[in-house]
Parts: sequence; structure tokens; C-alpha cells
Amino acid sequence: DIQMTQSPSTLSASVGDRVTISCRASQTINDWLAWYQQKPGKAPKLLIYKASSLEKGVPARFSGSGYGTDFTLTISNLGPDDFATYYCQQYHFYSPWTFGQGTNVDIK
Amino acid sequence: EVQLLESGGGLVQPGGSLRLSCAASGFTFTTYAMGWVRQAPGKGLEWISGVSKNGLQTYYADSVKGHFTISRNNSMRTLFLQMHSLQADDTAVYYCVRKDADLIDFWGQGALVTVSS
Repeated sequence: DIQMTQSPSTLSASVGDRVTISCRASQTINDWLAWYQQKPGKAPKLLIYKASSLEKGVPARFSGSGYGTDFTLTISNLGPDDFATYYCQQYHFYSPWTFGQGTNVDIK
Repeated sequence: EVQLLESGGGLVQPGGSLRLSCAASGFTFTTYAMGWVRQAPGKGLEWISGVSKNGLQTYYADSVKGHFTISRNNSMRTLFLQMHSLQADDTAVYYCVRKDADLIDFWGQGALVTVSS
């Protein structure tokens, strides 16, 4: 199975900051990479798919980049509603879906 | 509005069985593959099972293969997960998910399954 490694595990930031989360796949997944946001007690919500495509309704301050094995989620101008845990997930066709271990963005 | 509503969770003894249901509404159920993802308390996300649009193809993670069975009833617009031989490490919130092509694009609110004596 493809392993997904996120860093950092925890990130402390302030409203207005630019935040970057990394995700690395154990083998190439082209751009079959999604990012999800999860708040406590809630289901995950799709933010980004195909590594860099923004899901409808998601604010433009979220962006994704990368190809192959290295990917990044960037939140520019962190808003008060953005404190949450973020997961990357690969959905390469010939492999079981796997998720990163999550990055918790909390208030500094 | 797309909705996925799980039911059937609860407390079960080790070795017991449970069946989860997921009622879908707000979209054409038969045009989407579906699946289940679980999250143990305080832990990350684990995909465990998927089923094709017509229900004929099923997929399982190694961790549940042989003791979980996924199925769907398209006339009832419902997804199921039959779980047998449950153990403590199956304790988790189980999310019903909709699959658009190969992407999870929508999640239910989750059903908590607790395996404990």
C-alpha cells in the first residue's frame, strides 16, 4: 500500500498567518491527491482534489500544489474558522486509498 | 441537498456483530460508488471498504477483509456494512462516503461503534 506522511503533526498559528502543510507519498501518485479539513466531532470536508483543484464553495485562500510524491496545502491569510485538522489522501487507481496521519492547526 | 445518514452504531461485546446502514438522499444513488471510512478515537482516517455503483464489485482493506461485508440496495438508496467478530480495535466512528470517480467527495456524519465488554 502507498504510505502518506504529513508534516508537521501540529502547527500553531495566528489569524492572518500563511500556513503550509506538507504531504509525501511513498511512491508516485501523479496528482491523485486530495486534502480534507476536519473539525472536532464533525465529518471531514473536501477542500482540494487532483492536487490543486479547489472544491466548489471552498474559499480561495486554500490552495494545493505538487505532483508525483510531494504535495503542499497552503492556507494564505488564516481565518478564525480554519483552526482544524487537515488530512491528505491519495486515491491512485491501483492502490487502496490511504490517508496521512493529519496535521492539527491550532491557535498560537 | 446531498445527505448521507448513518444508523446502527452502538455498544457491542467482543466477538459480536453489528450492521450499519447509510441512507442516501439528494442525489442519484445509482450513479455513485460508495464506501466506508473509519476513525478510531483520537486517531486518523482509515478507508475500509468500497462498492461499485451496481453492487457487484466490492473492495476491502486488509484490516477488515473476511469479517466485514459491504452491500447496497439501490431501490432503497441504502448502503450497508455488516460487521462480524468485532474486536476492541474496531471501535471507531464509521463514516459512509460517496465516491465521485475515484475521489471521496461527500461524507456522512458518522456512526460510533464501541466494542467493549
